[in-house]
Amino acid sequence: GEDVEQSLFLSVREGDSSVINCTYTDSSSTYLYWYKQEPGAGLQLLTYIFSNMDMKQDQRLTVLLNKKDKHLSLRIADTQTGDSAIYFCAVSNTGGFKTIFGAGTRLFVKA
Amino acid sequence: DAGVIQSPRHEVTEMGQEVTLRCKPISGHDYLFWYRQTMMRGLELLIYFNNNVPIDDSGMPEDRFSAKMPNASFSTLKIQPSEPRDSAVYFCASSLTGAGRYEQYFGPGTRLTVT
Repeated sequence: GEDVEQSLFLSVREGDSSVINCTYTDSSSTYLYWYKQEPGAGLQLLTYIFSNMDMKQDQRLTVLLNKKDKHLSLRIADTQTGDSAIYFCAVSNTGGFKTIFGAGTRLFVKA
Repeated sequence: DAGVIQSPRHEVTEMGQEVTLRCKPISGHDYLFWYRQTMMRGLELLIYFNNNVPIDDSGMPEDRFSAKMPNASFSTLKIQPSEPRDSAVYFCASSLTGAGRYEQYFGPGTRLTVT
């Protein structure tokens, strides 16, 4: 079945850029998402990208998609302590109603 | 919009008791999902509904778990009897099919502790 993999932890200094990586197995994945989960809260959609795009930028967030390698990344510029959270990569395909989530990457931002 | 509403936010119960978790999806959304999150297993999809009809319940761990959606604005997840290994955070999420996108809107979760 579909699998989405992420590294579990990332630690960066405040002001640096963070890059969170994700790989997936289903080449028919059409929509790829990044969700953020803060302590004690549900997941919140941060951004998404269509499979026919290579890059999407949204303020401090840049999403890069390499379809050939089935690799998705999320870059957070000028990382702040408020960005400390768990980031989930997720994929779904057209006609499929299930979204497959990765295990989440816990981002630690050191002041 | 108030977002996805879940109740209770915290539930502590003794092993063997029945537990009912409740969810109100965002008005107009036609998909509803129940997830369970634990440290060991991460985020697991338990069941999802489309237009109040269960579509896929393959993630429901065992017969002790059941879910219903009697109408478009309400769903329940019931565990009977509960066991300590059911302790987790249970999330409800809803989505709206439009332009083929399926981004999900999550509720704040119910933290269940079974002693």
